[in-house]
Amino acid sequence: DAGVIQSPRHEVTEMGQEVTLRCKPISGHDYLFWYRQTMMRGLELLIYFNNNVPIDDSGMPEDRFSAKMPNASFSTLKIQPSEPRDSAVYFCASRETGANTEAFFGQGTRLTVV
Amino acid sequence: QQPVQSPQAVILREGEDAVINCSSSKALYSVHWYRQKHGEAPVFLMILLKGGEQKGHEKISASFNEKKQQSSLYLTASQLSYSGTYFCGTREYGNKLVFGAGTILRVKS
Repeated sequence: DAGVIQSPRHEVTEMGQEVTLRCKPISGHDYLFWYRQTMMRGLELLIYFNNNVPIDDSGMPEDRFSAKMPNASFSTLKIQPSEPRDSAVYFCASRETGANTEAFFGQGTRLTVV
Repeated sequence: QQPVQSPQAVILREGEDAVINCSSSKALYSVHWYRQKHGEAPVFLMILLKGGEQKGHEKISASFNEKKQQSSLYLTASQLSYSGTYFCGTREYGNKLVFGAGTILRVKS
């Protein structure tokens, strides 16, 4: 397996534009997590899914953020409209069910909103 | 709620030891430790399950005290390759995995 795949790797957009980040989890993994990384707050959990169903979205900062998982192999995180304070690295991670299972991270998307 | 890590940063010389602490205000099912190199994704180091276990990975080991909801990561005889940011992730009784703000470790020659 190629691991967790995220796209794009880098995104520069203007304030007010819509941004869509994409993630393909590892095949067979039934949990998918979206994290945002900043220097000040480290890795913040935004939302996670189990079997394509959102379980906890309490970390989503505001209504401008939305996430979907239409099937087991694809998820999106959308920001509309984007703001400069959304600039960060966004990571997607997946893992399979089990007490002793690790989460595998994608390479991240570096988002810059100007 | 994010676990609290300490210290925020530490600088070592090669061969020195370090301890990174992680604490949570919630009852934990397990603790996960990851290391992230600059510009890369976090990479898994180890998982500790409830039961007060201790695990080792080369010269890096960790302990988990579930009663105190605390975990510590021990780096022995540090090497240059140990430099990076260390994150503890805590899993509560469910499947939510939340991470702390990280501890920056720099090993100098």
